[in-house]
Amino acid sequence: DAKTTQPTSMDCAEGRAANLPCNHSTISGNEYVYWYRQIHSQGPQYIIHGLKNNETNEMASLIITEDRKSSTLILPHATLRDTAVYYCIVRVSRANAGKSTFGDGTTLTVKP
Amino acid sequence: DAGVTQSPTHLIKTRGQQVTLRCSPKSGHDTVSWYQQALGQGPQFIFQYYEEEERQRGNFPDRFSGHQFPNYSSELNVNALLLGDSALYLCASSITGTDSPYEQYFGPGTRLTVT
Repeated sequence: DAKTTQPTSMDCAEGRAANLPCNHSTISGNEYVYWYRQIHSQGPQYIIHGLKNNETNEMASLIITEDRKSSTLILPHATLRDTAVYYCIVRVSRANAGKSTFGDGTTLTVKP
Repeated sequence: DAGVTQSPTHLIKTRGQQVTLRCSPKSGHDTVSWYQQALGQGPQFIFQYYEEEERQRGNFPDRFSGHQFPNYSSELNVNALLLGDSALYLCASSITGTDSPYEQYFGPGTRLTVT
């Protein structure tokens, strides 16, 4: 699985958009980009994933560059409950062939 | 619909002892992966079980072993515990069998402290 690079920490004002970047320059053609978040002392929670098109769900939007070497997770209206560690990982699609390689993630702090 | 459950929540062991952690996957899921998360770090992949066999393994010694049962639940066993084995152990479940992207659902974890 390709490695990812994320900033160690970011701050965001409550109600504003939080934009979390991720670099994955060695991503392969069959690897998807996944985002998870982990609130203190809980298991990681799936947020969103994508291959090459932009994706949106009820939690967030995922913007993937055309060359697929980087992506941005967007939380459109951050709340205090969005304070967490956010992990960007890349992984092949088939469940029994892929394992998730987590880095140290980005600690997002949403401030009032 | 029950999510991924793990037991126990916390436990404390002494160096050299053995420990067994348990995981029940989300309903409908057939694949279980185990991760170790040291304080302040991201989860590290230990191994993955599907059809009661270990399918993939991360960079962990043979002291770490596992098992998957016919009902898809799984156990993680760690022998000869070291202080460095103190961590949050996470179980994740998913569905295997297609080429479509899949989601992993994580349990709340078991906090192991080795003294």
